[in-house]
Amino acid sequence: GAVVSQHPSWVICKSGTSVKIECRSLDFQATTMFWYRQFPKQSLMLMATSNEGSKATYEQGVEKDKFLINHASLTLSTLTVTSAHPEDSSFYICSARVRARSSYEQYFGPGTRLTVT
Amino acid sequence: GQNIDQPTEMTATEGAIVQINCTYQTSGFNGLFWYQQHAGEAPTFLSYNVLDGLEEKGRFSSFLSRSKGYSYLLLKELQMKDSASYLCAVSLWITGGGNKLTFGTGTQLKVEL
Repeated sequence: GAVVSQHPSWVICKSGTSVKIECRSLDFQATTMFWYRQFPKQSLMLMATSNEGSKATYEQGVEKDKFLINHASLTLSTLTVTSAHPEDSSFYICSARVRARSSYEQYFGPGTRLTVT
Repeated sequence: GQNIDQPTEMTATEGAIVQINCTYQTSGFNGLFWYQQHAGEAPTFLSYNVLDGLEEKGRFSSFLSRSKGYSYLLLKELQMKDSASYLCAVSLWITGGGNKLTFGTGTQLKVEL
């Protein structure tokens, strides 16, 4: 099946620093990857859609200068949280799109728990 | 805007059947997904419906009525390990091509003895 990995699985950083999270599709090529954020006991909120070789498309209310997304290859997308603040502490999940039947399915990475102190 | 509704919590007994409903009001619909998510983990794919009707996969079945904007996930022979959050997600066309998932708030299912 389609496997998506994320690294790191958890990270603690100090306020004001930057953190990079990697998302890889291990056994397939993903032209499109998605980044989500999930706060405790809430559902997933789409942050941005990342297409290989082009700029990411951000959802309304998501600061593109704060959450930098780079989709440099068909198997790797990165999310960098710049100048992190405690309110950025959350569970960040990426997913990669795979074509199946008449539409697409999305497979999720295991998530990265970010804690900003 | 997009609106996807699910019950917040449900409780059921081991061995029983439970139905989790999802209603949606969206534009650009091109499929509905159900995911299971255990606490602290990423969602795992359960089912996908793009046409009206019932899709069955083992103990799990999913139904879709596009005209009513309605779907349900049916879990049979409930097991304790089925205690999790169940997320309804609608796939929407994106302007310029492609699609994206918009998630409901999720239904927290608790299976009891």
